[in-house]
Amino acid sequence: GNSVTQMEGPVTLSEEAFLTINCTYTATGYPSLFWYVQYPGEGLQLLLKATKADDKGSNKGFEATYRKETTSFHLEKGSVQVSDSAVYFCALSGEPGSARQLTFGSGTQLTVLP
Amino acid sequence: NAGVTQTPKFQVLKTGQSMTLQCAQDMNHEYMSWYRQDPGMGLRLIHYSVGAGITDQGEVPNGYNVSRSTTEDFPLRLLSAAPSQTSVYFCASSYAGGYTFGSGTRLTVV
Repeated sequence: GNSVTQMEGPVTLSEEAFLTINCTYTATGYPSLFWYVQYPGEGLQLLLKATKADDKGSNKGFEATYRKETTSFHLEKGSVQVSDSAVYFCALSGEPGSARQLTFGSGTQLTVLP
Repeated sequence: NAGVTQTPKFQVLKTGQSMTLQCAQDMNHEYMSWYRQDPGMGLRLIHYSVGAGITDQGEVPNGYNVSRSTTEDFPLRLLSAAPSQTSVYFCASSYAGGYTFGSGTRLTVV
């Protein structure tokens, strides 16, 4: 079955530091890949996504590239802000036409200090 | 505003009680699902539905029932609450791969 392995947290960074959160996956075929963000006390919001190999998703300064050869979708940001403090989830869903349920990683808590 | 609405936001139950978590969406999405979120385990799929009248089990369905009589509504029923069901529950709807999540229900079973 599908699975997502995500970098263990928590991660604590100073403001303006570089962020990488690792994510690797196991799936058959060509799944779609997602990063979701959960701010304290809120639900999940889609941060970015990629639907095919070598696609780069980007939003709010965050980027992730769909790497089929390494089955990875690492999240990066060049300069984090205090407002980026949240829990980040990597997820995948099956190929178009297959089961559409999301499979999530365990989440990574990010704290950015001023 | 369009989206997924979950009620209640918070609930405390005694062991053995039953209750229904409500989920409604106004985007005419065919696909709806329920997840539970537990520390260190991400979100796990409980049940899902690909359309009105059709439901199926996810990864952790035991102790929960669902029904889908309309496109808009997808309630989750706890038949006899147990402390192991203490969690945060999220409902989501989807169309063509785009997911929208509700704000969650925090459930405590004592």
